[in-house]
Amino acid sequence: GAVVSQHPSWVICKSGTSVKIECRSLDFQATTMFWYRQFPKQSLMLMATSNEGSKATYEQGVEKDKFLINHASLTLSTLTVTSAHPEDSSFYICSARTSGRWGTDTQYFGPGTRLTVL
Amino acid sequence: EDQVTQSPEALRLQEGESSSLNCSYTVSGLRGLFWYRQDPGKGPEFLFTLYSAGEEKEKERLKATLTKKESFLHITAPKPEDSATYLCAVPFSSGSARQLTFGSGTQLTVLP
Repeated sequence: GAVVSQHPSWVICKSGTSVKIECRSLDFQATTMFWYRQFPKQSLMLMATSNEGSKATYEQGVEKDKFLINHASLTLSTLTVTSAHPEDSSFYICSARTSGRWGTDTQYFGPGTRLTVL
Repeated sequence: EDQVTQSPEALRLQEGESSSLNCSYTVSGLRGLFWYRQDPGKGPEFLFTLYSAGEEKEKERLKATLTKKESFLHITAPKPEDSATYLCAVPFSSGSARQLTFGSGTQLTVLP
């Protein structure tokens, strides 16, 4: 299957600092990438959908100024958590969708990034 | 309202004890149902996509089936390494976006 990488796999930062997480599709081009957040023992919660070359679409309740998403190329999307606070500590997972007409595409997920804000 | 519901929430099996996980959905115009496996501290790993009622797919000890209202993930003679959380997801269409909505998952534990 297709491979999606994330970097870093874990990060610890002080409150008030910004953290950037990279998501790359390694062997396919992804017009659309997604960012999810997952709390312990809960399912994935979609934060935003990003399309290459355009602004991300954020889910209700997700602060766009706090979670900056850039999808500069067909293989790279970044999530920047600005002025992070302890409540932003979570497991962040990106996914990339293979191209294809409706009903034939598949979302592949990265390995996730564990963010801990002290 | 479009929904995805998984049951049971948790399942403990002895090695070799076959069972099934359920994913029921309500969505207008199903455009595929996806199964993923997620290990602790990792991202979901893609398993199967099913598109139409009656379709079945197999991978090692796993077989996924689909009806018009639900999907089953059958696990035959499971091994401890099959222990994971299994997630099903359905794409919901919101305007021009197509987003996967996940069930809450079934946490499977296979005891040796």
